[in-house]
Amino acid sequence: EDQVTQSPEALRLQEGESSSLNCSYTVSGLRGLFWYRQDPGKGPEFLFTLYSAGEEKEKERLKATLTKKESFLHITAPKPEDSATYLCAVSGGETSGSRLTFGEGTQLTVNP
Amino acid sequence: ETGVTQTPRHLVMGMTNKKSLKCEQHLGHNAMYWYKQSAKKPLELMFVYSLEERVENNSVPSRFSPECPNSSHLFLHLHTLQPEDSALYLCASSQGGGGSNQETQYFGPGTRLLVL
Repeated sequence: EDQVTQSPEALRLQEGESSSLNCSYTVSGLRGLFWYRQDPGKGPEFLFTLYSAGEEKEKERLKATLTKKESFLHITAPKPEDSATYLCAVSGGETSGSRLTFGEGTQLTVNP
Repeated sequence: ETGVTQTPRHLVMGMTNKKSLKCEQHLGHNAMYWYKQSAKKPLELMFVYSLEERVENNSVPSRFSPECPNSSHLFLHLHTLQPEDSALYLCASSQGGGGSNQETQYFGPGTRLLVL
């Protein structure tokens, strides 16, 4: 059974204080790892898809990396508007089609 | 705003009511999904519709009934719900086709449902 574990559950940072969020996964035959951002009361917003170990992608202050067991979402010099819940998901394993397995998310708060 | 829209955005219903949630995607995708999001829990996949498959999560109660008349529209029919069904219901779509680069899902804004 595919599993995704995100840590920490919640993270508070001061503006400009860089940090990383972790997503550990267990899946046989990873097809893709996905990062989303979700603001309260809204749907998840797609950020990145990573397909193979060693791959990295960047978008503004965010950088996602992937190894064979985990992914990190690095946030450099965060701003208050980066406050949100960040979700990680994987596709792969024995499931067919485009089904994703999600983690519980990391709630990030950036204080000014 | 994403290319996936959902209506209504908020819904309050009694346990004896019948209502429907609507989702429409404007991305030309071939797969659509319903998810349930409850507090402190991961997104729970309820239903998948695609050219390749229609998947129903066997753990979803029969009081939830999906309908997918075409690749752009998806409905979730609700009847005799329970208070524990209160949650954010999210619709998503993906390109489908089975390729790994076609699995990225794009979400709508959700319908916040409250069952009294």
